[in-house]
Amino acid sequence: DTGVSQDPRHKITKRGQNVTFRCDPISEHNRLYWYRQTLGQGPEFLTYFQNEAQLEKSRLLSDRFSAERPKGSFSTLEIQRTEQGDSAMYLCASSLKLADFYEQYFGPGTRLTVT
Amino acid sequence: QKEVEQDPGPLSVPEGAIVSLNCTYSNSAFQYFMWYRQYSRKGPELLMYTYSSGNKEDGRFTAQVDKSSKYISLFIRDSQPSDSATYLCAMSKGGKLIFGQGTELSVKP
Repeated sequence: DTGVSQDPRHKITKRGQNVTFRCDPISEHNRLYWYRQTLGQGPEFLTYFQNEAQLEKSRLLSDRFSAERPKGSFSTLEIQRTEQGDSAMYLCASSLKLADFYEQYFGPGTRLTVT
Repeated sequence: QKEVEQDPGPLSVPEGAIVSLNCTYSNSAFQYFMWYRQYSRKGPELLMYTYSSGNKEDGRFTAQVDKSSKYISLFIRDSQPSDSATYLCAMSKGGKLIFGQGTELSVKP
């Protein structure tokens, strides 16, 4: 039984470069979420998809950020023109609806360091 | 003001102690209340969730929700060194989760 996987696990990039992260959800889950977590803080919601449709985006998601989920399977999160403030752990989660509750399962995260 | 407030700790207790972790929130529309555990450099894992007010018990863990006070708690009985982690409260809002800051717990043998 495979859980949520994320790739890469670590990424070091120079300021101004573009980066792309990938998330593979649990296969039968139709919802996929992206969160960002900085040191000493809880995860903050960025965006989520139901199948291939992006249903909500946080104000945290500036126009340098874009997320896709083609065909409703894996998802990518791209950050263009990275800034030092983008350094964080980027977490992906997927969920299956249980009645009115969506139990979210998190991946191990991608740790981004912008130098 | 954040929607969910949680004391970041750190909290250090001896093995076998009862641990109490708490969060307050401001949005009375929250219906589902969750506790996640996060080990260092790992993703959060769901420990328990509660719908509306009341208590829920699972082994050594008990979750309590008091909607009238907008206050939730997680109790850990007979704490073990393996319980050392960051504990995050979270509340569901339109499908997404709103997390507290997390409380770092250390259980000393």
